[in-house]
Amino acid sequence: DIVMTQTPSSQAVSAGEKVTMSCKSSQSLLYSENKKNYLAWYQQKPGQSPKLLISWASTRESGVPDRFIGSGSGTDFTLTISSVQAEDLAVYYCEQYYDTPLTFGSGTKLEIK
Amino acid sequence: QVQLKESGPGLVQASETLSLTCTVSGFSLTSYHVSWVRQPPGKGLEWMGRIRSGGSTDYNSALKSRLSISRDTSKSQVLLKMNSLQTEDTAIYYCTGGLRANWFAYWGQGTLVTVSS
Repeated sequence: DIVMTQTPSSQAVSAGEKVTMSCKSSQSLLYSENKKNYLAWYQQKPGQSPKLLISWASTRESGVPDRFIGSGSGTDFTLTISSVQAEDLAVYYCEQYYDTPLTFGSGTKLEIK
Repeated sequence: QVQLKESGPGLVQASETLSLTCTVSGFSLTSYHVSWVRQPPGKGLEWMGRIRSGGSTDYNSALKSRLSISRDTSKSQVLLKMNSLQTEDTAIYYCTGGLRANWFAYWGQGTLVTVSS
C-alpha cells in the first residue's frame, strides 16, 4: 500500500497569514504516460463531511477559493493557503489515487489564533 | 443536485454483520462511481471499497474478506455489508460518489456505527 505522510499534524496561524502543509507519498504518484500526479486534497470542517478541494495535485474544484493552492510532483506535495480566513479552520487530508487501495494521509489540523 | 444519504443501524453487536444503505439522487448509478469511506471518531479516513459505474467492485485488501458492496439501480441504492464486526469498526461511515472512480467529489452526511462488545 502507498503510505501518505502529512506534516505537521497541527498548526495555528492568524487570519491573513500564509500557511503551507506537506504531504509525502511512499512512492511516486506521477504517472509517466500522462505526466499527471494522482493526488487530491480535502478539507474537513468540524462536524462535517470532507470536501474535495483539489485533484491532480493542483487543479482546484469549481467554487474553491483561489487562496487554496496545490503544488508538488512525484512524492512531495504541498497545500498552501495564501491568506488564511477564519472559515478555513479544518483538518486537511491528502489522498493518493495512483493505486488501490486508495489511501489518505493522517491529516493536518489548522487552527486559527 | 447530487445527494447521497447513508442509513443503517447506529449500534451493532460485535461479531455481527453491518448492513448500510446509500441512497443517491441527482445522478444515475450507471454513470457515477460510489465508494465507502469510514472514519473512526477523532481519527483519519479509510477507503473501504467502491462499486464502479459499470458494476464492478474493488475492495481494500485489509477488509476484503469481510466486505461486500452491491447496488440496486432501480432504487438508486448502494449497499454495504461487512461481517465479523469488532469494536475497532466503530466509525462514521460515508458514501461518496463522482464521475471519477479515484477521488471523492460528493459525500453523504455520514452515519455513525458503534460496535458494542
